[in-house]
Amino acid sequence: QKEVEQDPGPLSVPEGAIVSLNCTYSNSAFQYFMWYRQYSRKGPELLMYTYSSGNKEDGRFTAQVDKSSKYISLFIRDSQPSDSATYLCAMSAGRAGGTSYGKLTFGQGTILTVHP
Amino acid sequence: DTAVSQTPKYLVTQMGNDKSIKCEQNLGHDTMYWYKQDSKKFLKIMFSYNNKELIINETVPNRFSPKSPDKAHLNLHINSLELGDSAVYFCASSQVSQAGPYGYTFGSGTRLTVV
Repeated sequence: QKEVEQDPGPLSVPEGAIVSLNCTYSNSAFQYFMWYRQYSRKGPELLMYTYSSGNKEDGRFTAQVDKSSKYISLFIRDSQPSDSATYLCAMSAGRAGGTSYGKLTFGQGTILTVHP
Repeated sequence: DTAVSQTPKYLVTQMGNDKSIKCEQNLGHDTMYWYKQDSKKFLKIMFSYNNKELIINETVPNRFSPKSPDKAHLNLHINSLELGDSAVYFCASSQVSQAGPYGYTFGSGTRLTVV
């Protein structure tokens, strides 16, 4: 079993829909949770960064972390065709001095298409 | 003004050859990484360096040898290339403190095809 599980989709929604993307994980040492967006043939781009449990909002994006359930989510409101990309969750236990020092463990990525 | 830049973007080479990929970051970060993304888009860490010191070395064949001449550069040399090495290789950098990794930024990737 992978440390981080993410449904690869693909997920197809109409423009304006609310999109919900999720990951589950098994390593209770993870404390830092990120969501990346990756367009085709580009590098991953950091969207959201959350430490420990809680919610974080940035424009149309909301990230939620529930450490008790080992479950994280990304919500996209009013989705746009420009949101069409692969969304990757990533997690880290890695602080300075720790053995996993900054290492990110990724989910497989969910392919999202928002059609006009 | 590119934050993390890698060269080359594309690399097509024959089995058995040796090749290098270069990476530079201008963000002032203290830690740099190599990640490999396979055909199913799964990203996995290979190495990390902090201030030129190797910190993480995942179970990567020793045909792969990273080198960090200074904290702004991290290169990856691959010997005796195999078909299974075909993938996209991403360089990344971040600042790692007691409060965790910040500013994690990826380059645009090097697409390696071994024929």
